Amino acid sequence: RKEVEQDPGPFNVPEGATVAFNCTYSNSASQSFFWYRQDCRKEPKLLMSVYSSGNEDGRFTAQLNRASQYISLLIRDSKLSDSATYLCVVRTLSSGSARQLTFGSGTQLTVLP
Amino acid sequence: ETGVTQTPRHLVMGMTNKKSLKCEQHLGHNAMYWYKQSAKKPLELMFVYSLEERVENNSVPSRFSPECPNSSHLFLHLHTLQPEDSALYLCASSQDNQITQYFGPGTRLTVL
Repeated sequence: RKEVEQDPGPFNVPEGATVAFNCTYSNSASQSFFWYRQDCRKEPKLLMSVYSSGNEDGRFTAQLNRASQYISLLIRDSKLSDSATYLCVVRTLSSGSARQLTFGSGTQLTVLP
Repeated sequence: ETGVTQTPRHLVMGMTNKKSLKCEQHLGHNAMYWYKQSAKKPLELMFVYSLEERVENNSVPSRFSPECPNSSHLFLHLHTLQPEDSALYLCASSQDNQITQYFGPGTRLTVL
């Protein structure tokens, strides 16, 4: 089983649509959660952290369900510029590096005019 | 954005060549990382360097050799690579008390 699992998509949605991405993680000891965004042929960039109480940043809302080991990202009023791959990222303090992040394979989003 | 730079941006090499990838961070961070990103696969952590530790992913073949001369520079030395090593190699950095990692633009490597 993958440590961090995402639906690869692609998600093709019209401008203005609301779209949701889901992510599950396998290690219940995971402590920190993030969404990164990666544009085509570019490097990943932090989009937002995910907090237990849920958090919102403009059109983006992230939710965490520790009991189900599930993370979500909701994008409202999609813009063309939202087209990218969205990476679910988890940090687990293990015998490895305390800084180690585990990435999902990403969900590809294309917003259509 | 020039916080983390990588050179070269593109590299084509034969299986018998030796080359090095370079990463430099201008953010004053004290930890640096090498990741490998293959098509349709998640980013795979290869190496971590910080003042306190060096961590290696045990699945990384010995034909990849990291070097971190100081907290701002990181190298990845490559020798006798295989075609399946073709991928995007990303460098990242972070600061001790923060989790966020900042990535460089990557080196797209093709092994013939």
